[in-house]
Order: sequence, then structure tokens, then C-alpha cells
Amino acid sequence: DADVTQTPRNRITKTGKRIMLECSQTKGHDRMYWYRQDPGLGLRLIYYSFDVKDINKGEISDGYSVSRQAQAKFSLSLESAIPNQTALYFCATSDSGTPANYGYTFGSGTRLTVV
Amino acid sequence: KNQVEQSPQSLIILEGKNCTLQCNYTVSPFSNLRWYKQDTGRGPVSLTIMTFSENTKSNGRYTATLDADTKQSSLHITASQLSDSASYICVVSVGTGFQKLVFGTGTRLLVSP
Repeated sequence: DADVTQTPRNRITKTGKRIMLECSQTKGHDRMYWYRQDPGLGLRLIYYSFDVKDINKGEISDGYSVSRQAQAKFSLSLESAIPNQTALYFCATSDSGTPANYGYTFGSGTRLTVV
Repeated sequence: KNQVEQSPQSLIILEGKNCTLQCNYTVSPFSNLRWYKQDTGRGPVSLTIMTFSENTKSNGRYTATLDADTKQSSLHITASQLSDSASYICVVSVGTGFQKLVFGTGTRLLVSP
């Protein structure tokens, strides 16, 4: 099984619909992140969480919300999807207990298309 | 504004050949620089991580260099294989405490038989 699992892998939804992307991890990491990737742009941070009770906005949080249901689970919601939210979404984890030069672990991504 | 720029945008090389990918960054304060490999349809996977004091780091056929004075990094791939076909992303960590990651747009490498 993958260390960081994202569901669904692909999703097509209509404008105005609510959609949730889910992420679960078996790394035992305390920190979790949601990024989006658009063609020609680097990954951009949407939200991040340092533990279950800690949620922080990233650089592009408008139109999104998150929930940290447990240390291992972090979901991203689009309350009312719009076409410019069409993108590849990645969940990532990191461990605050390891040196800063340890890497992040990324999931395989969710390709979301809003029509 | 924190920025990471990569060149070239894309590259085609023959299997067995070497190649070098470039990364220039403008960030403050710098914490570390990472290179990731991203296969099509997959998440990025870490190749190397270098702090300010490191100027070379290897991972198998991948060798990254860092010049903190000129704010440049390179990723050299030796004896390329078909499986090296992927996007290579340069990522710089910024700040102390919580380190924000600034991602480059990547170099798309195609290794041709």
C-alpha cells in the first residue's frame, strides 16, 4: 500500500457542486498539506495542518476548506466548484520530529475537472 | 518575491547520454534546496536535499550541485535510462520554523531509445 493515498484518482464534476478529496497516510507524520498543480505553474499550497487541532491557510485557500479528521486523514473540500479549480491536487506529509532537510512524501494526486 | 526558475523547459536526449538541468532561485531566507522527480500522473518523489553548507549531493546516477553565492543549482543525470523520462522539479525551502516550499515549474525530460 502507498504511504500517502488519495481518493479519488480522477473526478469530473459540474460547476456549483460540492466535492471532497480525501487523503490518508501510513507514514505516522504529523504534518499534512494540500497542493494544486496547474500546467506551467509550480505546485501551490492550499492548506496545511500541523496536527488535528491546527489548520492553516496557504497561498491560495479561497474557495477551499479542509478537515483534519485524525492524524492520518486530511480532506480537502470545494464547497461550490468552479472551472478554474480544474487542476491536479496533491496531498503531502512531513514529520516535524525529523531534521528540516528531510523530504516531503506526496500522494499520487487527484485529477479534478470542473465542467 | 520568492521565485524558482528552471531551464530548459523540456529536453530530449538519447538513452545512455548525460544531461544537466538548471535551477536559479531568488528567495529569502534560504533554508534548503530539493530536487524532485515527477513521473506522469504521479506525485513528486524526492531525489536530493541540500542545505546552505552543502554544494554537492548524489543519489545514484543523480548528482545535484548548489552554489549559494550565485543562487544556482544543477541536477546532472549520468548514463540516462528510459525510466528517467519525467519532470524534474527544483524546490527551495524558505524561512525558519515552518519552511514554505517554493516550487519551480519543472523541466520535462524525455529519454529516447
